[in-house]
Amino acid sequence: NAGVTQTPKFQVLKTGQSMTLQCAQDMNHNSMYWYRQDPGMGLRLIYYSASEGTTDKGEVPNGYNVSRLNKREFSLRLESAAPSQTSVYFCASRWDPSYEQYFGPGTRLTVT
Amino acid sequence: AQSVSQHNHHVILSEAASLELGCNYSYGGTVNLFWYVQYPGQHLQLLLKYFSGDPLVKGIKGFEAEFIKSKFSFNLRKPSVQWSDTAEYFCAVTHPDRGSTLGRLYFGRGTQLTVWP
Repeated sequence: NAGVTQTPKFQVLKTGQSMTLQCAQDMNHNSMYWYRQDPGMGLRLIYYSASEGTTDKGEVPNGYNVSRLNKREFSLRLESAAPSQTSVYFCASRWDPSYEQYFGPGTRLTVT
Repeated sequence: AQSVSQHNHHVILSEAASLELGCNYSYGGTVNLFWYVQYPGQHLQLLLKYFSGDPLVKGIKGFEAEFIKSKFSFNLRKPSVQWSDTAEYFCAVTHPDRGSTLGRLYFGRGTQLTVWP
């Protein structure tokens, strides 16, 4: 099992450009999450999806959209990137019985 | 809203020293508690978790944590740290009994541990 995979690993964007971060899990988990990690801020939840076809906002959803394409995939889209979105983005999925979340390797995004 | 506090932002220790990292949370109901570790350049990995039962939980790599409900605390401990424990440590909380936020993790801001050889 690959677990949770994310692409790309690194990305540099100019202000105003758009991009989609991809996330996939092969553990048959129902719930998936997108977090951003900033120095001294811990991880903050952007969006989550409790099941295929449903999504909900987290703490910091502004400037982002998500799609739960199927049970495996949960993508995060930046429609018009801003320097404030420079961060490391982590995708996670959750094994329902234990509430334990499994994290992907992250995407380091820089917006200039 | 739930808040998770990690009071130590950066801890510096020598090898073989004992470690205790503090974690406090605000929710008064049923909680599941986690400690995650992030080694430099890597993703988060689970160190240990508490759901119910014995409040003293043992995890990987010699780490343990104690849940003290009356103090809303879940402190992480290790009797003797190693250089390889240098990493960032995150405390996290979830509420298994709150419907719309089911499964959502609330993270503390993290504690950077540096261990000198």
